Amino acid sequence: DSGVTQTPKHLITATGQRVTLRCSPRSGDLSVYWYQQSLDQGLQFLIQYYNGEERAKGNILERFSAQQFPDLHSELNLSSLELGDSALYFCASSAGLAGGPDTQYFGPGTRLTVL
Amino acid sequence: AQTVTQSQPEMSVQEAETVTLSCTYDTSENNYYLFWYKQPPSRQMILVIRQEAYKQQNATENRFSVNFQKAAKSFSLKISDSQLGDTAMYFCAFKSNFGNEKLTFGTGTRLTIIP
Repeated sequence: DSGVTQTPKHLITATGQRVTLRCSPRSGDLSVYWYQQSLDQGLQFLIQYYNGEERAKGNILERFSAQQFPDLHSELNLSSLELGDSALYFCASSAGLAGGPDTQYFGPGTRLTVL
Repeated sequence: AQTVTQSQPEMSVQEAETVTLSCTYDTSENNYYLFWYKQPPSRQMILVIRQEAYKQQNATENRFSVNFQKAAKSFSLKISDSQLGDTAMYFCAFKSNFGNEKLTFGTGTRLTIIP
């Protein structure tokens, strides 16, 4: 158990809908990362938050947004869902240290199926 | 931008044998970190081992060790005395030394341990 929690584990929804994925980082970690794992794109970095502020953006669609709350949990919002958004969404957390490996620990993921 | 290449999509080995998974990367940075993550059928991403680029000594974690060749930009994972529980996807990942940074993943190697 990495100490990172994600809810829900599975989500099935229809095209055009909006969903929210939730992540709680390990105790003491300030950084949260979101990754998407799909069959054709592999593991892709979406977005990173550090202590409540957006730190970096990767291949995140405009239909997707995220935020990190004062208690450091994070939510990833996916809207106007398309079939191609079906994937496994991972949250990872790290201490957020400016130097060093700042190892990321992953949650169990949320499997999103868009029908 | 950094790239990570895993040229072996699939591998299989008999239980108790030794297997080596290959990974190469491309970067212009001198200091960085390299990771191997394991993704078993449960889909959880589990950290296997970590290597700091400034360290000449290869990292070891029990049955897992790496062969880090900085000049060749190569980072292979050796699994000794392989066990059935080692069956998983293995991902090589790169992280910049510039603090709080995302992971860049390779496409993965699917390893099957044969009883």
